[in-house]
Amino acid sequence: QVQLVESGGGLVKPGGSLRLSCAASGFAFSDYYMSWIRQAPGKGLEWVSSINERSTYSHYADSVKGRFTVSRDNTKNSLYLQMNSLGAEDTAVYYCASNAWSGYYYPWGQGTLVAVSS
Amino acid sequence: EIVLTQSPATLSLSPGERATLSCRASQSISSYLAWYQQKPGQAPRLLISDASNRVTGTPARFSGSGSGTDFTLTISSLEPDDFAIYYCQQRGSWPRTFGQGTKVEIK
Repeated sequence: QVQLVESGGGLVKPGGSLRLSCAASGFAFSDYYMSWIRQAPGKGLEWVSSINERSTYSHYADSVKGRFTVSRDNTKNSLYLQMNSLGAEDTAVYYCASNAWSGYYYPWGQGTLVAVSS
Repeated sequence: EIVLTQSPATLSLSPGERATLSCRASQSISSYLAWYQQKPGQAPRLLISDASNRVTGTPARFSGSGSGTDFTLTISSLEPDDFAIYYCQQRGSWPRTFGQGTKVEIK
């Protein structure tokens, strides 16, 4: 069964840091780009970051560039997102997704909520 | 950055009716467009890839068309399970972008 499970979300103060994890199972994790997409409460979807199969290329939205770092460990079938200098605008549900279907986001995890508040 | 503009923002229809959703790109993206469905409290689900290819498990009542800058998602006859928010997304260039969504609601 193809599955992605995110963890690591929670409440953090402005300026703080958080590390999200995404555990993959049921598919060839190391064969695909992986991505993070977020959704602020009541808002639409925003692509955050992607990393290629061998971690040689990573891409970031301008809104997180310089603050967030994406990484992966193919030996553990895991994807990570290190988030630093968090602000209220980063409050959202963060989804991990594989780019396993022609480069589009499939499957998706269930999401983990990050809330930035004092 | 490629901006995707979806219209209408909300579509109020009855079960059995045809739904036509539009997605317009600010520049050509060839056929590098996907459609996703999202229901409350759930992650999005990929329905259509490369503008017109149904993903495994997507019912045949869903169809996608278009290329370049203008794309359409059509639901031929709405089922109760289809009332949701639909997003388009492009992979033609970085950064990847999503449209703002079209909500299909029960009239």
